[in-house]
Amino acid sequence: DAKTTQPNSMESNEEEPVHLPCNHSTISGTDYIHWYRQLPSQGPEYVIHGLTSNVNNRMASLAIAEDRKSSTLILHRATLRDAAVYYCILRPYNFNKFYFGSGTKLNVKP
Amino acid sequence: KAGVTQTPRYLIKTRGQQVTLSCSPISGHRSVSWYQQTPGQGLQFLFEYFSETQRNKGNFPGRFSGRQFSNSRSEMNVSTLELGDSALYLCASSPRTGDTGELFFGEGSRLTVL
Repeated sequence: DAKTTQPNSMESNEEEPVHLPCNHSTISGTDYIHWYRQLPSQGPEYVIHGLTSNVNNRMASLAIAEDRKSSTLILHRATLRDAAVYYCILRPYNFNKFYFGSGTKLNVKP
Repeated sequence: KAGVTQTPRYLIKTRGQQVTLSCSPISGHRSVSWYQQTPGQGLQFLFEYFSETQRNKGNFPGRFSGRQFSNSRSEMNVSTLELGDSALYLCASSPRTGDTGELFFGEGSRLTVL
C-alpha cells in the first residue's frame, strides 16, 4: 500500500500563501496524487489531484516533483476557512481505494 | 444536485449489538465506498461497492459487511459491536469504479459504543 508522509501541523497567516508538502517515495507510475481537506465534524472535501504535471484549480495549485516522489499543495491566499486537516493521498489507478495518512493540521492566524 | 447523504448522523449502541448505516450516493454515481475514522487509526478504507458487487475490501474483520442496492444506495452493517468500533463512518461516492477523479464524501455517521 502506497504511503505518504506529511508534517503533523503547520501555521500560516491569513492572506499569505501556504505550501503544504507531502512525500511519497514509494509512488508507482499509475498512482494519482490527491489532496483532500477535512473541517471539524465534516467529511473530507476534494481539493485537487494530478498525475505528473502541475495542476491549478479555483481552490489551489498542486506542484508535483519531476520524479513524483513528492508534491506540494499551494493555497495562494490562506483564509480562516482554510483551517483544516489536509490529506495527501495516493490513489491507485483503477481502484477506488484511498489510503489516508495522518494529514497536516493547518492553523490560519488572523 | 444533492450530495452524499448518510443516515443516521449519530447513534449510540451497546457492546454486542449490531448496527446498520445507510448511504445514498449522488444521483448517477454507481460506486460507493466506506471509511472508518478514529482518533487513533485515522481514516481507514472498509470496502467499495459498484453495481451491487463488492470490488475492494480493506483489512477489517468479518463483523463489518456491506451491500449495495440496484439504485446504488448502500448499507454497511457491524455485528457484535465492540468498544473499539466507536468511530465516524464515512461514505463516499463516485461515478464509476476505477475512476481517477474525486470522491464525494458524506458528513458521516458517528457511532458510539458503550
